[in-house]
Amino acid sequence: QVQLVQSGAEVRRPGASVKISCETSGYNFSGHYLHWVRQAPGLGFEWMGWMNCNNGATTYARKFKGRVAMTRDTSVRTAYLELTGLRYDDTAIYSCARCPQAGLNYFDPWGQGTLVTVTS
Amino acid sequence: EILMMQSPGTLSVSPGERATLSCRASQSVSTKLAWYKVKPGQAPRLLIYGASTRATDIPARFSGSGSGTEFTLTISSLQSEDSAIYYCQQYNNWVLTFGGGTKVEIK
Repeated sequence: QVQLVQSGAEVRRPGASVKISCETSGYNFSGHYLHWVRQAPGLGFEWMGWMNCNNGATTYARKFKGRVAMTRDTSVRTAYLELTGLRYDDTAIYSCARCPQAGLNYFDPWGQGTLVTVTS
Repeated sequence: EILMMQSPGTLSVSPGERATLSCRASQSVSTKLAWYKVKPGQAPRLLIYGASTRATDIPARFSGSGSGTEFTLTISSLQSEDSAIYYCQQYNNWVLTFGGGTKVEIK
């Protein structure tokens, strides 16, 4: 079945960077877009952007432009999210999610989430 | 950015009863609306897409309706495993946005 398995929890200092991985299986990796969404403690979901896993093209939410990079390694069917210049309010659970149908940006399935804690 | 507003914030329903959750968009999203179920410590699960199409393996007691700015998720006969937070998400605009969620509790 389709699975997205993310890397483990991370703790970073303010100003540092973090890179999270999302290893996929069970489907044609290059045939789908992957999105990244985060949820801060007690808050709702916030969409960060998407990546075309075929050619690596990306679209980022304006809020994160300049601080975020979404990349992939097709040889290991894995997508990556890197966030730089971390701030305390970047503390959140970060999730990758597959877009099952081209052009229709809903998510199925999601990864299990990666907790990133920014603390001094 | 399209704002998505869900109501009520919390819904307490007895087993076997109907639960009705609402989602309103600040502008039309046509039928580009999805619903997700989120249980503590678990990944969100897609329930409904296209406003009314059930995702794979989703029980028939879950149904979605609506178009434009007003949407409803109905759980026809609540089961104990339906206790969760439910979120709507629009994908009509390239900036994808979510509602704030409705927590469904079992009475």
